Amino acid sequence: AQSVTQLGSHVSVSEGALVLLRCNYSSSVPPYLFWYVQYPNQGLQLLLKYTSAATLVKGINGFEAEFKKSETSFHLTKPSAHMSDAAEYFCAVTRAAANTDKLIFGTGTRLQVFP
Amino acid sequence: DAGVIQSPRHEVTEMGQEVTLRCKPISGHDYLFWYRQTMMRGLELLIYFNNNVPIDDSGMPEDRFSAKMPNASFSTLKIQPSEPRDSAVYFCASSLLAQYEQFFGPGTRLTVL
Repeated sequence: AQSVTQLGSHVSVSEGALVLLRCNYSSSVPPYLFWYVQYPNQGLQLLLKYTSAATLVKGINGFEAEFKKSETSFHLTKPSAHMSDAAEYFCAVTRAAANTDKLIFGTGTRLQVFP
Repeated sequence: DAGVIQSPRHEVTEMGQEVTLRCKPISGHDYLFWYRQTMMRGLELLIYFNNNVPIDDSGMPEDRFSAKMPNASFSTLKIQPSEPRDSAVYFCASSLLAQYEQFFGPGTRLTVL
């Protein structure tokens, strides 16, 4: 069965600092991986996704993530945090080539950005 | 497209009352998902449908919860009778395929007094 583990339920950074949100996955077959962001009082929206093409995936708002099979990781990064990045971030996994499989979400990481 | 539409956005009710949450998925999406989000339990998948047929309802907490999808453009999640512990934000999402990007609605914030 697939699962994801997000290390750190809360991450705090200063504006302009590097953002690193960690996600490790478990999957016995090739995965598809996703990062979603949830701003206050809103639904989740897709930041980026890995679907077995390039291992370095670029998303919206300057975020990117790298799929590392050897480390079973899909960490989310942004070189310079902005105040507007404050939100909750969710990593999710599903099986590639399994059309009826649902997404399995992590428990989320809340990002705080200080001026 | 207007995206996934949920109604109402906020619902306050008293314990024991019936609550019905509504969702209109994005046109052409074959999958519809209902989630519940609370501080204690995070984001939980309750049930999902494929072409209006329930595929997996293992996340439905108990018999008080029921969900239907009478057609491709409408789904309901009903709680009867409601209890204070049902207070949460309920999200509806839709996608072309189960494993593809899910588009989330704005959610319904339910408060059961």
